[in-house]
Amino acid sequence: QSALTQPHSVSGSPGQSVTISCTGTSSDVGGYNYVSWYQQHPGKAPKLIIFDVSQRPSGVPDRFSGSKSGDTASLTISGLQAEDEADYYCCSEADRYIVIFGGGTKLTVL
Amino acid sequence: QVHLVQSGAEVRKPGASVKVSCKASGYSFTNHAIHWVRQAPGQRLEWMGWIITGNGNTKYSQKFQDRVTITRDTSANTAYMELSGLRSEDSAVYYCVKGGAPPPGNWFDLWGQGSLVTVSS
Repeated sequence: QSALTQPHSVSGSPGQSVTISCTGTSSDVGGYNYVSWYQQHPGKAPKLIIFDVSQRPSGVPDRFSGSKSGDTASLTISGLQAEDEADYYCCSEADRYIVIFGGGTKLTVL
Repeated sequence: QVHLVQSGAEVRKPGASVKVSCKASGYSFTNHAIHWVRQAPGQRLEWMGWIITGNGNTKYSQKFQDRVTITRDTSANTAYMELSGLRSEDSAVYYCVKGGAPPPGNWFDLWGQGSLVTVSS
């Protein structure tokens, strides 16, 4: 299974909004409402920030939101803060209970 | 507190095997699957497989199907990942992660601290 497609990098200024896309196929992103997103700071384990396309775990600020249209899921971070600078990975269930991650996106807060 | 604690760093020669352990605490071990995810230096996250800890059923990524074995010991609340036929490209941090409900779960709300495996002659 190929990795889901994410932009290599995105950037934004403090207070702005950024959106990270995650494109798959009808066999993964498009076929299931099981997209999750993870934030990873350097040298740390990833942290779950969105599950089931748009659900936020407790403790995750509502500045983080998720959506999906067709084969593409999106993560939007509004009111950018310096601590949001990190790598972001999307993840989707695929056919036969396989799991696929995206290639990762580096977010730079200018 | 809810934790996944993994075994320490390992160094192996090419062709050898490595077995990484993952001890769970603070939640009902048999109610959630354990998945294994690896990350080579500077690379993306890569899913390897899962085990449903309640019944031992497993599923592996096609990429690792022939080389990986995931097991569990419910009496010790511990899961294991063994990777054989190691090559230099297997040098990575290996994470165990707790799957969401119901098993196998497709999102991961608890991560171990990671175990660094280095493959070098």
